[in-house]
Amino acid sequence: QVQLVQSGAAVKRPGSSVKVSCKASGGTFSSYFINWVRQAPGQGLEWMGGIIPSFGIANYAQKFQGRVTITTDESTSTAYMELSSLRSEDTAVYYCAREDGHKAAFDIWGQGTMVTVSS
Amino acid sequence: EIVLTQSPGTLSLSPGERATLSCRASQSVSSSYLAWYQQKPGQAPRLLIYGASSRATGIPDRFSGSGSGTDFTLTISRLEPEDFAVYYCQQYGSSLFGQGTRLENK
Repeated sequence: QVQLVQSGAAVKRPGSSVKVSCKASGGTFSSYFINWVRQAPGQGLEWMGGIIPSFGIANYAQKFQGRVTITTDESTSTAYMELSSLRSEDTAVYYCAREDGHKAAFDIWGQGTMVTVSS
Repeated sequence: EIVLTQSPGTLSLSPGERATLSCRASQSVSSSYLAWYQQKPGQAPRLLIYGASSRATGIPDRFSGSGSGTDFTLTISRLEPEDFAVYYCQQYGSSLFGQGTRLENK
């Protein structure tokens, strides 16, 4: 069974960048779309973008265009999400999630990474 | 852009009761592309239902999904204590989520 394990919590200054990792273990990595979803404290789920490792092509939600970069390293079965120009409103839990195209849903999720933006 | 509106915002019920959660889309959605997730405090979301009505692996049969077009429903036939959580619907093509319904123990 595939598991997604994310990097640990981070505290960042406004204006800086954060890079969160998501490592897959126990199954195929390259052929599934990997998405990033964030959740601000007490709020709902917000899709940020995703990538299919075998093609290396990412697509992003319009809201985050120009500020987010999603990449993968197939050699380590790891996906990355980098968010730049951080502001306090970016304080959130960031999740990676595997997309199963057959089910048309996000079937496996990472445990989440808390990113706090504070001066 | 499709908007998903979930209702009610909060649903207060007791164990053993039936829960009916609604997800309405601003335009027609393929039923193949509608999913439901459950999220408990401090945990990642968990896939419950995909394709509007198919249960994900390991999901008890008290959970069922239905609907088509713009109106979709998640039903929990008899609530168990572990079912109190927040539930989200999602439209696959856009990856957008509804705002969630909080199911609380009355």
